[in-house]
Amino acid sequence: TQLLEQSPQFLSIQEGENLTVYCNSSSVFSSLQWYRQEPGEGPVLLVTVVTGGEVKKLKRLTFQFGDARKDSSLHITAAQPGDTGLYLCAPSDRGSTLGRLYFGRGTQLTVWP
Amino acid sequence: NAGVTQTPKFQVLKTGQSMTLQCAQDMNHEYMSWYRQDPGMGLRLIHYSVGAGITDQGEVPNGYNVSRSTTEDFPLRLLSAAPSQTSVYFCASSYSIQRGYNEQFFGPGTRLTVL
Repeated sequence: TQLLEQSPQFLSIQEGENLTVYCNSSSVFSSLQWYRQEPGEGPVLLVTVVTGGEVKKLKRLTFQFGDARKDSSLHITAAQPGDTGLYLCAPSDRGSTLGRLYFGRGTQLTVWP
Repeated sequence: NAGVTQTPKFQVLKTGQSMTLQCAQDMNHEYMSWYRQDPGMGLRLIHYSVGAGITDQGEVPNGYNVSRSTTEDFPLRLLSAAPSQTSVYFCASSYSIQRGYNEQFFGPGTRLTVL
């Protein structure tokens, strides 16, 4: 069983603030995905990172995969109410059963106007 | 494309009843999976399939059965519902896993309550 920690569990901020959420593990992963889930809906893929140290940007969202491929972070600049949702990280272990995903428990982000 | 569709959206069962949650995708994806999502627990894998005729167990398979007779459909059967199966169930699909990582497309979920 993979030990996967996401922090913080809850985050409540005002519109315009910056924030960072983290995804940490003691295991090495071949890739990692970030999903966002809005209330009443299924998760939607935001990004996949594959290479250690990789940084990807998606508008105001910046994703980084740790050099050792054990952790990742998601930074949001100038958060907006539309960023509200549950952010899930999902590393994949190529060596495990068919590259299955392991989901963290998520960070619940609320951005107030 | 409709993507991944799930029916029903909501369901209430009594303990001991059986039912089937339906999942279909029109993207010709090989890989399909079922998750349950409980408060504070994240998404946990129930069963998955790498293609028609092939299924396997995930983390929490007890009390559930699956089959994959076609590429498009992947129903989840609850054999004898228990209150512990009250949850939100998500079906997901993805392209071939041959690239080594597994980007999944999720359905809208089925909210199940077992009394």
